[in-house]
Amino acid sequence: DQQVKQNSPSLSVQEGRISILNCDYTNSMFDYFLWYKKYPAEGPTFLISISSIKDKNEDGRFTVFLNKSAKHLSLHIVPSQPGDSAVYFCAASSTFSGGGADGLTFGKGTHLIIQP
Amino acid sequence: EPEVTQTPSHQVTQMGQEVILRCVPISNHLYFYWYRQILGQKVEFLVSFYNNEISEKSEIFDDQFSVERPDGSNFTLKIRSTKLEDSAMYFCASSEVVTGELFFGEGSRLTVL
Repeated sequence: DQQVKQNSPSLSVQEGRISILNCDYTNSMFDYFLWYKKYPAEGPTFLISISSIKDKNEDGRFTVFLNKSAKHLSLHIVPSQPGDSAVYFCAASSTFSGGGADGLTFGKGTHLIIQP
Repeated sequence: EPEVTQTPSHQVTQMGQEVILRCVPISNHLYFYWYRQILGQKVEFLVSFYNNEISEKSEIFDDQFSVERPDGSNFTLKIRSTKLEDSAMYFCASSEVVTGELFFGEGSRLTVL
């Protein structure tokens, strides 16, 4: 049961261009969304998040867009740099479920490759 | 910069043996988590821990698993009798607040033979 789906296992983008990573979710109870970046042999690193009360959040080169009606979010990286090459995980949580330290539900990840 | 540390980085064990994976969360964090990633699959939530007790756990976290915070710094995951399918990378994470960003450790690779 894939509640968080990242349909592109990999994405190749030229350096300097925009990278767009997509994520879809099925659980309408999700109200908080995060993107994590993972290099080989390291744990995931938090990148950016967005609450369901917003439709956009920007942090430097990274912008996350949320379309609640479509249950879709995307991460835009512009301009893309070689150091952005990594696996990007979309994650979601529901603050409604008990209010405790709820676990995140991760997508399978998208391997972003930035080409020089 | 504060970080989550995990030991061991890699453990090989025989099926049926007990394994303890250790984690030192970031010192001022209050919420602690274990996740795992089976090779080629997604990162999966196992358990979260707050105020010295489990706050949430997934279906994966059955009676073979337990967590403990034996002192003020360590957070451990114990697997009582390992199975082949427990082979995975186990990530510890901590956060300052609920739904805050999680800080992950580098992971402990468990190989069950």
